[in-house]
Amino acid sequence: DAGITQSPRHKVTETGTPVTLRCHQTENHRYMYWYRQDPGHGLRLIHYSYGVKDTDKGEVSDGYSVSRSKTEDFLLTLESATSSQTSVYFCAISDPLGTLNEQFFGPGTRLTVL
Amino acid sequence: AQSVAQPEDQVNVAEGNPLTVKCTYSVSGNPYLFWYVQYPNRGLQFLLKYITGDNLVKGSYGFEAEFNKSQTSFHLKKPSALVSDSALYFCAVRDLSRDDKIIFGKGTRLHILP
Repeated sequence: DAGITQSPRHKVTETGTPVTLRCHQTENHRYMYWYRQDPGHGLRLIHYSYGVKDTDKGEVSDGYSVSRSKTEDFLLTLESATSSQTSVYFCAISDPLGTLNEQFFGPGTRLTVL
Repeated sequence: AQSVAQPEDQVNVAEGNPLTVKCTYSVSGNPYLFWYVQYPNRGLQFLLKYITGDNLVKGSYGFEAEFNKSQTSFHLKKPSALVSDSALYFCAVRDLSRDDKIIFGKGTRLHILP
């Protein structure tokens, strides 16, 4: 999976608790992305980053925040988890030329909010 | 707004037969088109892309895709299907005239029957 790890790989939590997912890359790619995958919806972009401390919202950003203090790490935080945030979360990266090229995906994190 | 459609939720093909997975797109500028494959419990893997040039693009694992500008389509094809091709396939588009984020289709599940 192209030097991308996600942690944890599985998590079960309760409604109202904070959750942080971590994406770590060893490729030194500038762009990093967080997606969620749900049946019938494909992949939907939550947030993305185009450099350290530079982030922007995707199409389903409500209830999520992100931070990127180092090139290699991109954190996704659910401040107060809800059952609608039960999903599989994927991190992706793209190369230093960024916008013209394909994305490489991590193995995913399966999050269940009870 | 840019969008991509995969009209078939599922495609069944007998092993050894040719396969086609359909994708149509809508963008206001020049399209950058991608196909990804997802095997069970894995992240997405890049298969091929169209940026410019030859309308027939060759990719990994014997797959190819044909870009058709007049029909706004980018169908994925393979001359002879293998059981191991069974997976979830995603078409994606990037429109550089807008905010250059990738939009994914909802996915098509391909079943290759032995």
